[in-house]
Amino acid sequence: RKEVEQDPGPFNVPEGATVAFNCTYSNSASQSFFWYRQDCRKEPKLLMSVYSSGNEDGRFTAQLNRASQYISLLIRDSKLSDSATYLCVVTPFVRMDSSYKLIFGSGTRLLVRP
Amino acid sequence: DVKVTQSSRYLVKRTGEKVFLECVQDMDHENMFWYRQDPGLGLRLIYFSYDVKMKEKGDIPEGYSVSREKKERFSLILESASTNQTSMYLCASSFGYSNQPQHFGDGTRLSIL
Repeated sequence: RKEVEQDPGPFNVPEGATVAFNCTYSNSASQSFFWYRQDCRKEPKLLMSVYSSGNEDGRFTAQLNRASQYISLLIRDSKLSDSATYLCVVTPFVRMDSSYKLIFGSGTRLLVRP
Repeated sequence: DVKVTQSSRYLVKRTGEKVFLECVQDMDHENMFWYRQDPGLGLRLIYFSYDVKMKEKGDIPEGYSVSREKKERFSLILESASTNQTSMYLCASSFGYSNQPQHFGDGTRLSIL
């Protein structure tokens, strides 16, 4: 089983739609969680951190469910510019010598159509 | 804003050449990372460093080495380039402990002919 799993998509939605992605992780001791956005042929960029209490940034809401070991990203009122690949990222809590690594999911592709 | 700068956006080299990819960050981050990204395989960690002169192997270190002589600079070296090392290479840095996000450079698209 992969450490971080995402549905690769693509999710094809009309402008203005609400879309949600989930991401599951296998290590129950994982400490930190992030969502990154990656445009085609560009570098990943941090979208938001995910906190236990859930957090919101404009049209974007991230949630963490430790009991079921998944995080989610909700995008409201989708824009054409939201079209990208969204990467789920988890920090495992392991030995000190590898605790600096992030584990990246393979990404979920979102296409927002006019 | 964090700035991570990679020396080249596009690079073409020949099989057997020694290739250097340079990365510089301006935020005094302790941790620096090299990844490669290939279609269908996602991001794979090659090497990382959590301090000057310190390095740790990632998931796919074979065929690569790294150098970190100064805190702000992390170099990836392909000792003898091969065609299967054609890829997008991404450098990242992060502050201190593992709960901090990583910030990426623009990437270097390397082709080995």
